[in-house]
Amino acid sequence: AQSVAQPEDQVNVAEGNPLTVKCTYSVSGNPYLFWYVQYPNRGLQFLLKYITGDNLVKGSYGFEAEFNKSQTSFHLKKPSALVSDSALYFCAVRGYNTNAGKSTFGDGTTLTVKP
Amino acid sequence: GAGVSQTPSNKVTEKGKYVELRCDPISGHTALYWYRQSLGQGPEFLIYFQGTGAADDSGLPNDRFFAVRPEGSVSTLKIQRTERGDSAVYLCASSLDGAFTGELFFGEGSRLTVL
Repeated sequence: AQSVAQPEDQVNVAEGNPLTVKCTYSVSGNPYLFWYVQYPNRGLQFLLKYITGDNLVKGSYGFEAEFNKSQTSFHLKKPSALVSDSALYFCAVRGYNTNAGKSTFGDGTTLTVKP
Repeated sequence: GAGVSQTPSNKVTEKGKYVELRCDPISGHTALYWYRQSLGQGPEFLIYFQGTGAADDSGLPNDRFFAVRPEGSVSTLKIQRTERGDSAVYLCASSLDGAFTGELFFGEGSRLTVL
């Protein structure tokens, strides 16, 4: 079975500071990892993904994430947070050996960026 | 529209009633997914269609839940004899071809409240 853990329900940062939202995963075989963001009253939006290759992947709105195979982690990062980054963030995993339909999501981390 | 469309956006029903939720995916996307999201939790997989067929329905909680996609485009999630525990936001997503590497494009969800 595959699973995702987002250990922090809430992350608070000041505008202009770097942010990190943590994600660890468990999956059989090679992982395919995704980050999605959900703004209030909006659907989930894709931010970035790791499939293969460079462990540091870049995505939308200046976000990036680092894949660490030994620590089974895929933390979301941004060098300088904006108030508009405040939202609910979900990490998701698919395993190569499982059906493509089953993306498994974490329970989400609420990011609040204060001016 | 260019995105995934879900109707109704809100549905309030009484315990024991029948409910249908509709999803219109992005044109040309062959893969369609249904997820359920309860408050404070991440999306939970229900069913995945590749074309007209259900490739994986292992997430459907019981036989009161059923989904169809007769022409390989629009899908309907059907819930019989609704229970209060069915109250949640039902999310639909589509992807280009259902590949492991493809990101999901979500609709804004249908919020179901069972009284």
